[in-house]
Amino acid sequence: DSGVTQTPKHLITATGQRVTLRCSPRSGDLSVYWYQQSLDQGLQFLIQYYNGEERAKGNILERFSAQQFPDLHSELNLSSLELGDSALYFCASSPRVGGADNEQFFGPGTRLTVL
Amino acid sequence: AQKITQTQPGMFVQEKEAVTLDCTYDTSDPSYGLFWYKQPSSGEMIFLIYQGSYDQQNATEGRYSLNFQKARKSANLVISASQLGDSAMYFCAMREFNYGQNFVFGPGTRLSVLP
Repeated sequence: DSGVTQTPKHLITATGQRVTLRCSPRSGDLSVYWYQQSLDQGLQFLIQYYNGEERAKGNILERFSAQQFPDLHSELNLSSLELGDSALYFCASSPRVGGADNEQFFGPGTRLTVL
Repeated sequence: AQKITQTQPGMFVQEKEAVTLDCTYDTSDPSYGLFWYKQPSSGEMIFLIYQGSYDQQNATEGRYSLNFQKARKSANLVISASQLGDSAMYFCAMREFNYGQNFVFGPGTRLSVLP
């Protein structure tokens, strides 16, 4: 158990809908990362937050947004869902922003299926 | 542009033998980090090892070591004394620290450890 929790584990929804994925980092970790893993695109980095502020942005679509709250949990919002958004969404946390301390602890992932 | 290449889609190794998983990268950023992750068939993602571009010594974590050859832009993962539990997908990734802090992942190598 990495100490990172993600809810829900599975989510099935329809095209055009909006969903929210939630991530709670390990106790004390300030940095949260979001990744998408799909058969088509492989693993992609979406976005990173550090202590409530956006730190780095990857291949995140404009239909997607994220935030990190004062209690350090993070939410990833996916809207106007398309079939191609079906994927495994991972959250990871680490103690610091980057540099030498780059160990990340991953949650179990949320499997999103868009029908 | 960032790029990660893993040329071995699948590898087999005998239990207790050592195995090297190849990873080459391309970047123009002098400051970057290289990561290896493991994904067993159960689906969770596990961080294994990190190497910074300015690190003088190769990173090691238990049975994992990273053979970092900067001039050749390679960052091969060496697993010593393979165990059945090492059977998994292995992903190499790179993060540029000056150019947007994006992560880029390779396509992965599926390692099968034979008894």
